[in-house]
Amino acid sequence: GENVEQHPSTLSVQEGDSAVIKCTYSDSASNYFPWYKQELGKGPQLIIDIRSNVGEKKDQRIAVTLNKTAKHFSLHITETQPEDSAVYFCAATTNTGNQFYFGTGTSLTVIP
Amino acid sequence: DVKVTQSSRYLVKRTGEKVFLECVQDMDHENMFWYRQDPGLGLRLIYFSYDVKMKEKGDIPEGYSVSREKKERFSLILESASTNQTSMYLCASSLWDQETQYFGPGTRLLVL
Repeated sequence: GENVEQHPSTLSVQEGDSAVIKCTYSDSASNYFPWYKQELGKGPQLIIDIRSNVGEKKDQRIAVTLNKTAKHFSLHITETQPEDSAVYFCAATTNTGNQFYFGTGTSLTVIP
Repeated sequence: DVKVTQSSRYLVKRTGEKVFLECVQDMDHENMFWYRQDPGLGLRLIYFSYDVKMKEKGDIPEGYSVSREKKERFSLILESASTNQTSMYLCASSLWDQETQYFGPGTRLLVL
């Protein structure tokens, strides 16, 4: 099955700086890559996603890039704010099923 | 907005008890999922269902069973709870395969 690795496991940045979280996947058939944000005491919420026919997608301060050749994708958060502090999960799914494979999560702390 | 609700936010049970966790979604989604979330391990799929009365094992089904008698409701059953099942349990639903999964708030289960 698919194997998704996520780095770093923890990340601290100063408010206003950028944060980058990276994930790699193993199955070249994977074609959908969502990113989730989980705040304390809540379930994960989708913040952005990308499909394999696109190399980059942006939504205000959040962007995701995908390199299919290298089988990695990254989340970029610019101008970070304290409310960006949360755990972020990447995931991948193949075109042959409905199972998502999640990374192990990155705990992001934005220091005011 | 999609809403996924879980019957309890916190549960405390004794070893050997039968435990029911219930999940309801209000968007007529085909797929429903049960995950457990543990520190450092991310989200691991226990079971999923792609239709009423249909179920598929995920990565860690041992010690669990599920029931989907109605499209909107997906139950996770711990037949005989054990201390190593202490965890956060998350339910999710999606309209189709390879589509966004929407998560409930989670149930934190403590087995004593």
